[in-house]
This record gives sequence, C-alpha cells and structure tokens, in this order.
Amino acid sequence: NAGVMQNPRHLVRRRGQEARLRCSPMKGHSHVYWYRQLPEEGLKFMVYLQKENIIDESGMPKERFSAEFPKEGPSILRIQQVVRGDSAAYFCASSPRRDTEAFFGQGTRLTVV
Amino acid sequence: QQQVKQSPQSLIVQKGGISIINCAYENTAFDYFPWYQQFPGKGPALLIAIRPDVSEKKEGRFTISFNKSAKQFSLHIMDSQPGDSATYFCSGGGSRLTFGEGTQLTVNP
Repeated sequence: NAGVMQNPRHLVRRRGQEARLRCSPMKGHSHVYWYRQLPEEGLKFMVYLQKENIIDESGMPKERFSAEFPKEGPSILRIQQVVRGDSAAYFCASSPRRDTEAFFGQGTRLTVV
Repeated sequence: QQQVKQSPQSLIVQKGGISIINCAYENTAFDYFPWYQQFPGKGPALLIAIRPDVSEKKEGRFTISFNKSAKQFSLHIMDSQPGDSATYFCSGGGSRLTFGEGTQLTVNP
C-alpha cells in the first residue's frame, strides 16, 4: 500500500506565477488535509477536504489560495500570483475517516524567487 | 480554543537517558492525540497516539501519559538513542489536527 504521494517534491516559481501542488492519498483514504510549514516552525492547518467537498478551510488565506479534491484524481492545492512569503513546505495528509490516524506525504517545498 | 502548547522548544539528552516532552491543550472537544516525529527534509511520521479515555499508552520505548482533567499530555522516550534525534510534534484532533510548535530533540552519543 503506497503512502501519501505528493508532487512535485520541489517547485520553484517566480513572483506572480501560479503554483499547483498535487496530493494522492493512501488507497482507501477519502479525507485529505493540507498543512504549511515554515522553516523551524510547526505545521499550520490550511484546509480539510473530503471527496468533492471542502469541509474546513478556516486556515486557508482568503485570496490566491484554493484547494480541491475531485471525485477522480489527486487533491490539488493552487496558489495564484505567488509571493516570496508563500515559500514554505506544504504537506498533505490523508486518513480513512475523521478522528483517526492521518498519514503525511513527504511534502512539496515551494520556493518563490 | 484551538491551541496546543508544547514545551520545551529544544531538548538535549544523553544516550540512554529519558526524553520528556509536554503538551497542553485548550479545546475540550479534542478526542484524539497523536504524536509525530519529523526528520529534516521529510514529512511527519505518526509515532504513537492516545484517546482521552486512557491515561497511558506504551509502545516500545515510547509512552504517552494523558491527564484529561488538566488537559495535558506528555511523551516519554526511554533509553533515548542518537537515532531518535528529530523534531517531535504533539497534536490534538477533532475533525482535523492542531499541532504544537515542535520540540527539537538531540540525543548525544
């Protein structure tokens, strides 16, 4: 059973470009969570999705950020018009249901130049 | 009400010693408390977890102690090894996890 797969592992974008981060959850997992981690800091919740639905987006910036988890295919975190402050590691986690073990991917390290 | 406070921020222990990391939470709706271990450049890995109906859980050298009335829980690493050197995150969950700020553990040989 493959783990949570995130790609790309590293992404470099110029200011103003769009960044698309992908996350394929573990097989059988329908709950996906996105977290952001700045260097030497903790994990900050961004958004919680279940297939085709956003359950909780209270940690997501109101502008430029969006997330989806379609019926088919990976979950996508999209950042439009990136700025230097968006540089961080973005982690995706999945679980088979709420309130139980969540397993993390290896993250996408976004660098905005 | 969503905060999880973790201490210490960093910890240095000699090989064979006991590492202790403490966490406190505010949200009484939390009903799941996992700990994660993260090595540099890697994603967090689930280490051990506890639910509030249990006061202690042990898996190998790792033990979680849970005090529901005080809203506190802690991770004990017995016989700490250099390979345990990593950042440890406590978390509390309901529909999603809220993480502490992390503890950077260094185990000296």
